[in-house]
Amino acid sequence: LAKTTQPISMDSYEGQEVNITCSHNNIATNDYITWYQQFPSQGPRFIIQGYKTKVTNEVASLFIPADRKSSTLSLPRVSLSDTAVYYCLVGDRGRDDKIIFGKGTRLHILP
Amino acid sequence: GAVVSQHPSWVICKSGTSVKIECRSLDFQATTMFWYRQFPKQSLMLMATSNEGSKATYEQGVEKDKFLINHASLTLSTLTVTSAHPEDSSFYICSAPRVYGTDTQYFGPGTRLTVL
Repeated sequence: LAKTTQPISMDSYEGQEVNITCSHNNIATNDYITWYQQFPSQGPRFIIQGYKTKVTNEVASLFIPADRKSSTLSLPRVSLSDTAVYYCLVGDRGRDDKIIFGKGTRLHILP
Repeated sequence: GAVVSQHPSWVICKSGTSVKIECRSLDFQATTMFWYRQFPKQSLMLMATSNEGSKATYEQGVEKDKFLINHASLTLSTLTVTSAHPEDSSFYICSAPRVYGTDTQYFGPGTRLTVL
């Protein structure tokens, strides 16, 4: 499983766009990039998954450069309720589905 | 959408007793489920992989005799913390893959265990 590196914490303000970058230099050809969100005392929630270029859903966008050694989760116009821990995970979807969490990024949205 | 539930959501027990936590997939079958433990301000730590019809696979450093896992059916896995001690107090979370072969997992809401 490729190791990921994210900022430990980030602060932003309501209404701003927030970009969280994840480094995964050892990503393998079959690996996908997945982001989860976790609120205090709750289980993680799937946000978005991608393989290359750009993926967008109703919650976020995921930007992946051509070399795939990093990825950026973009949250548009954040609100206080986006305060959470965000985890970037890299893994082969064809393997045993085991997920190993890194430390994640603690995002704090200020009013 | 698919949902994973856990019961109980919180439990307080005395030191030396055993506690059982249930994890259920509500609208899909899961031959594999995963159990995690999370301490305050820390990330999730994978404890074991629960396999329907076979023995669980434990991660290194996790005592299999202390954390008993039973995957009784395609929708139910249980984690029993035996002879619990205060250091076992933690947030326990289960998950199940929505579709085999993807990294998209559904996580349960978690169970807060407090051992007095």
